Amino acid sequence: SQTIHQWPATLVQPVGSPLSLECTVEGTSNPNLYWYRQAAGRGLQLLFYSVGIGQISSEVPQNLSASRPQDRQFILSSKKLLLSDSGFYLCAWSAKVETQYFGPGTRLLVL
Amino acid sequence: RKEVEQDPGPFNVPEGATVAFNCTYSNSASQSFFWYRQDCRKEPKLLMSVYSSGNEDGRFTAQLNRASQYISLLIRDSKLSDSATYLCVVIPASGGSYIPTFGRGTSLIVHP
Repeated sequence: SQTIHQWPATLVQPVGSPLSLECTVEGTSNPNLYWYRQAAGRGLQLLFYSVGIGQISSEVPQNLSASRPQDRQFILSSKKLLLSDSGFYLCAWSAKVETQYFGPGTRLLVL
Repeated sequence: RKEVEQDPGPFNVPEGATVAFNCTYSNSASQSFFWYRQDCRKEPKLLMSVYSSGNEDGRFTAQLNRASQYISLLIRDSKLSDSATYLCVVIPASGGSYIPTFGRGTSLIVHP
């Protein structure tokens, strides 16, 4: 069966510090991968999606970036965090045109 | 008009009640529809897909009305454990990418 992992589960970072969140998927190959952010009391905001290794599409311009160095690995990064980057970051995968499945998420607090 | 709209609620109902949520979408070419459930501080989890003919899974019934561009979720005999936020998801019919649009969710509180 397929599983999706995210780490860390929680993170507290100072403003201006770098960020690296990792997401890995097991049990499937060539999945679509997604990064979402959910701010407190807000809906899910799609940040990036990838249909294959090295292929990244950005939905919202911001100081975040994403990379897919391996088929089942998706990384969300920032060089300098802003206060507004605080939120619940969710990685998801789908088998192309099928349902999305979410990882457990990373709760980020920028102080 | 937002692409996918939901009443945020909260819907506050007693145990055993029947409750229904609607979700409207603006893209008439949308082709796939889902309901997800999100518990507090947890990730969304798939509840059920929504088929054109409607579908039922135990106490849950999902329906699609393409003419009026909305999907619905009916929960019968509500349990305390049904308390959560229910997100509707709409997938546009487009070649290539599979970019779902999530509603902001409807909050349900089931009380004793």
